[in-house]
Amino acid sequence: GAGVSQSPRYKVAKRGQDVALRCDPISGHVSLFWYQQALGQGPEFLTYFQNEAQLDKSGLPSDRFFAERPEGSVSTLKIQRTQQEDSAVYLCASSLERIKGGDSRYEQYFGPGTRLTVT
Amino acid sequence: AQSVTQLDSHVSVSEGTPVLLRCNYSSSYSPSLFWYVQHPNKGLQLLLKYTSAATLVKGINGFEAEFKKSETSFHLTKPSAHMSDAAEYFCVVSGLAGNKLTFGGGTRVLVKP
Repeated sequence: GAGVSQSPRYKVAKRGQDVALRCDPISGHVSLFWYQQALGQGPEFLTYFQNEAQLDKSGLPSDRFFAERPEGSVSTLKIQRTQQEDSAVYLCASSLERIKGGDSRYEQYFGPGTRLTVT
Repeated sequence: AQSVTQLDSHVSVSEGTPVLLRCNYSSSYSPSLFWYVQHPNKGLQLLLKYTSAATLVKGINGFEAEFKKSETSFHLTKPSAHMSDAAEYFCVVSGLAGNKLTFGGGTRVLVKP
C-alpha cells in the first residue's frame, strides 16, 4: 500500500522567503509527526498531531515555524522568513495507534523527507 | 526526559563478518526502544522495537538487539554483514506518552567486500 509521501522532495529558497512543506500520511493514521534532520545528525522532534489537534509543538525552534493539519489528514509545515540555519531535511511520520492509558506501543512510518536548502 | 547515545559514529566491517552497533539510553521510566535504518535518499525504516516484552528482539534482515536494563543498553547485532547493510543506523527512544521519538546521533556502517 501507499506509504507516507512528502512534497516537494527538494526545495531551494532564498533567505527571507516563506516555504510550505506538505505531508500525506498513511490513510487512517491518527497521529502525525514532523522532525528536522540537520546534515550529519539524527532527526529531532518538531511537533505532533493527533487527528487535527496539535498536542505538542515543543520542538519548533522559533515562531517562524508553524504546522497545521486542519482535517486530520494532510499536514503542512510552514517556515516564514527562512534563514540559512533552517537548511535541513524535514521528515514526516505517521502512526496508526492512539495513545492508550500510558501504553505507548506504536510504530511511526516515515516519509522520504523534504530537503530544504536556504541560500 | 530521555536521551540516547550511540557510541560509534562510524563502523567499518568486512562482508560476512559480524556487526555490532552500540547504544546506551537514559530514561526516567521504562522506555520503548527502536532501531531505524536510513539508506541514502530513502526514508527511515524500522528494523526492530522493544516494548517491555522479550529482552532479545529480532528484527528484519537478520538484525537483533538485546535490551539490558542494568546496563541501560540496547546494542544492535547481525551475525554476517551484507553489502546491502551499508547505511546509517539510528537508536531511538520514545517519550513517556509515546508521542515523540528521541534519536541518537547515528552510526554510519561501511561494508567492505
